[in-house]
Amino acid sequence: EPEVTQTPSHQVTQMGQEVILRCVPISNHLYFYWYRQILGQKVEFLVSFYNNEISEKSEIFDDQFSVERPDGSNFTLKIRSTKLEDSAMYFCASKMEAGGLGTDTQYFGPGTRLTVL
Amino acid sequence: KNQVEQSPQSLIILEGKNCTLQCNYTVSPFSNLRWYKQDTGRGPVSLTIMTFSENTKSNGRYTATLDADTKQSSLHITASQLSDSASYICVVSAWDDYKLSFGAGTTVTVRA
Repeated sequence: EPEVTQTPSHQVTQMGQEVILRCVPISNHLYFYWYRQILGQKVEFLVSFYNNEISEKSEIFDDQFSVERPDGSNFTLKIRSTKLEDSAMYFCASKMEAGGLGTDTQYFGPGTRLTVL
Repeated sequence: KNQVEQSPQSLIILEGKNCTLQCNYTVSPFSNLRWYKQDTGRGPVSLTIMTFSENTKSNGRYTATLDADTKQSSLHITASQLSDSASYICVVSAWDDYKLSFGAGTTVTVRA
């Protein structure tokens, strides 16, 4: 069964450094998402991406964050200058169709655990 | 503001027993509600999805109900197994909304 994959599984970085988290969505999906989950807290929406542009972003997704789909298969999340509070599990998700009446499911990757020291 | 509240926060049950998890939401206009299972350190996996017109949906030993009038949903786990130990997350989406609203989850621990 197709699945969303993410690399690396665990990233440790120093505060102020740039990190890039990588995701390979399911191949025929059109909508892509990044979420984060701080330890012990609920999953939070970061950004959605469709047709090579951001569809929607949350308040968390400030200028330090950016997303890209550089080659038609990978979907990346870049954090330009990491802060301690960026330490979290970052999940990528993808789905085939739009929201609204659609009952399509977002398929989540296994996550990347980011630790900022 | 769209909100999803789940209860209880956690529960412990003996293997073979049943349990029911609750979800209340204020997401509007409502599109659909999903229950996800999240194992520790893993991504959420979809169990069920229900739209406005559906009031029950089953997936094996998992049965979800939805009351769109009272904006409540429940997830019933029948004959629990050790592998059911996980966090169960209620997720609601609004009409024409790209993002999902997540509950904080209920952590279920099944003991032998």
